[in-house]
Amino acid sequence: KAGVTQTPRYLIKTRGQQVTLSCSPISGHRSVSWYQQTPGQGLQFLFEYFSETQRNKGNFPGRFSGRQFSNSRSEMNVSTLELGDSALYLCASSLGTDYNEQFFGPGTRLTVL
Amino acid sequence: AQSVTQLDSHVSVSEGTPVLLRCNYSSSYSPSLFWYVQHPNKGLQLLLKYTSAATLVKGINGFEAEFKKSETSFHLTKPSAHMSDAAEYFCVVSDPPFGNEKLTFGTGTRLTIIP
Repeated sequence: KAGVTQTPRYLIKTRGQQVTLSCSPISGHRSVSWYQQTPGQGLQFLFEYFSETQRNKGNFPGRFSGRQFSNSRSEMNVSTLELGDSALYLCASSLGTDYNEQFFGPGTRLTVL
Repeated sequence: AQSVTQLDSHVSVSEGTPVLLRCNYSSSYSPSLFWYVQHPNKGLQLLLKYTSAATLVKGINGFEAEFKKSETSFHLTKPSAHMSDAAEYFCVVSDPPFGNEKLTFGTGTRLTIIP
């Protein structure tokens, strides 16, 4: 079974631009969660989507948004990029029920110049 | 709110000696606790999880952890370190009302193995 895939793996943007990251979950998984990993703040939960609906949300500004499609693939968008948005963005998928394990993708490394 | 505190940011052990990575938790509920490992340029991999069944949890690659409610601890151990164990380890707690999809991570412990 293929694992969680994230595209692109690396991305360089400049301040003020916007960016879209993509995550394809494991087949059959309906939940996708997004995390931001930085040296200063560590790993922080952004939001979770289940069956195309945002079910959980972390403490990030509205510049960070996401969506999920009917095939469970998810996208995360960051608008008006700031230098501090440079991070590794990880997504994780799970069945989304009965406290199942989350499986993580390799991440997208975003650099904002 | 749930939280975890990893007591050591960096641990170094010699190959073949025991590993101990320490984690304390704070939770208003009966917590679900996890240990994840992250190798360089790789995603996170689940080592083991505690979900209120047995207090001693066995994971992959010879790792295990013991849930101690009286000490609010969930330390990770391995009897004999291997070079391939060198990585970053995260103690993680989930927010029970939100299932396992909203995880709170500790700050991580970097494990170095000395040949």
